Amino acid sequence: AQSVTQPDIHITVSEGASLELRCNYSYGATPYLFWYVQSPGQGLQLLLKYFSGDTLVQGIKGFEAEFKRSQSSFNLRKPSVHWSDAAEYFCAVGARSGNNRKLIWGLGTSLAVNP
Amino acid sequence: DAGVIQSPRHEVTEMGQEVTLRCKPISGHDYLFWYRQTMMRGLELLIYFNNNVPIDDSGMPEDRFSAKMPNASFSTLKIQPSEPRDSAVYFCASSFGMAGVETQYFGPGTRLLVL
Repeated sequence: AQSVTQPDIHITVSEGASLELRCNYSYGATPYLFWYVQSPGQGLQLLLKYFSGDTLVQGIKGFEAEFKRSQSSFNLRKPSVHWSDAAEYFCAVGARSGNNRKLIWGLGTSLAVNP
Repeated sequence: DAGVIQSPRHEVTEMGQEVTLRCKPISGHDYLFWYRQTMMRGLELLIYFNNNVPIDDSGMPEDRFSAKMPNASFSTLKIQPSEPRDSAVYFCASSFGMAGVETQYFGPGTRLLVL
């Protein structure tokens, strides 16, 4: 079955500390992988995506993610967290097949940042 | 570009009433998605369209929900009759299907409360 697991429901880090949010997926085809961020009361915004090539992907706001096929993971990282990074983070996976554009979403990880 | 536009932003209604949510996708995008977000179930895909044609409506919870896309610049999600368990944030998203790995652009959402 296709699924995305974000093992950490909630994470708290101190401002300036490094961050890693985990994402594991189960998907039959070669996946396209996404990380989105949702600030309180807002819609979702794309942070970064992977579809092929270099397995280390750079995104906006200083985020990066690494695709590890052997581990079926696509973890999100940031070397130094800012207070404004406090938000909900979603991992999603999909594949392009005909006109199928359905994404499978994780349940999200809520990030709190201590000053 | 104005981004994906949703209206209303907030809706409070009483059980049994009809609710209509509206979405204007980004101009030129050919895919439109309706999602529902709740604390318990996370982000759920309800239905999506390609060139105004519904492709997958397997996420529509029951016959009380219906969605239409009469033209490329407008879609509605209707709930009739509404029930308290329909209370959620409803997101509309759009994407350009020929762009390869498509990013879904989300609207700000409609927060629905059914009393």
